[in-house]
Amino acid sequence: GESVGLHLPTLSVQEGDNSIINCAYSNSASDYFIWYKQESGKGPQFIIDIRSNMDKRQGQRVTVLLNKTVKHLSLQIAATQPGDSAVYFCAEKRRNTPLVFGKGTRLSVIA
Amino acid sequence: EAGVTQSPTHLIKTRGQQATLRCSPISGHTSVYWYQQALGLGLQFLLWYDEGEERNRGNFPPRFSGRQFPNYSSELNVNALELEDSALYLCASSARGGLGGNEQYFGPGTRLTVT
Repeated sequence: GESVGLHLPTLSVQEGDNSIINCAYSNSASDYFIWYKQESGKGPQFIIDIRSNMDKRQGQRVTVLLNKTVKHLSLQIAATQPGDSAVYFCAEKRRNTPLVFGKGTRLSVIA
Repeated sequence: EAGVTQSPTHLIKTRGQQATLRCSPISGHTSVYWYQQALGLGLQFLLWYDEGEERNRGNFPPRFSGRQFPNYSSELNVNALELEDSALYLCASSARGGLGGNEQYFGPGTRLTVT
């Protein structure tokens, strides 16, 4: 079936290091991908998105890479800070369908 | 600008009862989405409303229902509550439904506990 999943359920990084969170998707018809950050007790917060006609998009300290050949999505966080500690979800979307979320990766930043 | 708001924050019900959860979207947003997030799991899509109409429904039984009002706010109703319905229920809104590229903004959620 169609699915969006994550390679690593937990990730621990040292403060100041770069973080890379990975996500695999199975539906090649997906044309839009989003990364969300969810802190404890809060709803998911939009981080960055990318359309399928792009392979890279940069934001403030974050970069999303899309590899359509292997159906892989990654979120890179530069100079990881304690405030980056959260659960990160990738989500995929096809036209006229709702978002499909992966299970999430917990990022722990070690001070 | 106010974000997506949900009420109540917490809701405790007993098995067999009915629960009503409410959501107010960001001003100007016409689409509202409901998700269930069980403890330690990802978000499972429940319902999508746009312009007052139900546009899509996730793989949930009919006792999960909802509606969208003319002011675009929405209710999620869960009838005949079961213990496994205990979860965080998240509402999100977007400017236009059904089109790729529309950011969904989430509310803080309603924590439903069924005892």
